Amino acid sequence: KNQVEQSPQSLIILEGKNCTLQCNYTVSPFSNLRWYKQDTGRGPVSLTIMTFSENTKSNGRYTATLDADTKQSSLHITASQLSDSASYICVVSGGHAGKSTFGDGTTLTVKP
Amino acid sequence: DVKVTQSSRYLVKRTGEKVFLECVQDMDHENMFWYRQDPGLGLRLIYFSYDVKMKEKGDIPEGYSVSREKKERFSLILESASTNQTSMYLCASSLSFRVRSNQPQHFGDGTRLSIL
Repeated sequence: KNQVEQSPQSLIILEGKNCTLQCNYTVSPFSNLRWYKQDTGRGPVSLTIMTFSENTKSNGRYTATLDADTKQSSLHITASQLSDSASYICVVSGGHAGKSTFGDGTTLTVKP
Repeated sequence: DVKVTQSSRYLVKRTGEKVFLECVQDMDHENMFWYRQDPGLGLRLIYFSYDVKMKEKGDIPEGYSVSREKKERFSLILESASTNQTSMYLCASSLSFRVRSNQPQHFGDGTRLSIL
């Protein structure tokens, strides 16, 4: 069964600090992995996407990594801001008919 | 800019009612999706459509149906609403559903539906 597991479930950090969110998956075959940011009361918005051949992708202060051998990804946030407070969802596409499998998300709270 | 619009942000209905959730996208996307989002369960796919009048069941289609009469509009229908359908419903669209497509899904802001 295709699964995507994210950790931690929630995280609280102080403004200006860095943090790393984890995503492990069992989706096979693999097509791509995407990180979404979901602000409270809003729909998810795509941050980065990585294919099999990519192991790092940056979007401003967000850097995603992918290890296709161990089926792990991480999202690193540098110099956090209050606006980074949100849920971060890892989505892996592939498997049967290219379907997307969603993780449960990590809720990040950035405090002043 | 890409825009997916869901007709209601909040909706309260009674058990047994027929409920319609509407979604419109302005990007001429081929594919549209309906998800429900519940705490601890993530986003679960209810139905998707890859063309007008075409639909495919997702992971949890029971109790739901969909309609896509026009390319820009995708409707989710709860035939006889039940309390376990209380949830956040998210609509999304994407340019292509082909395997290995790198096109992102663009989401609406959701409809929080309560069934009393």
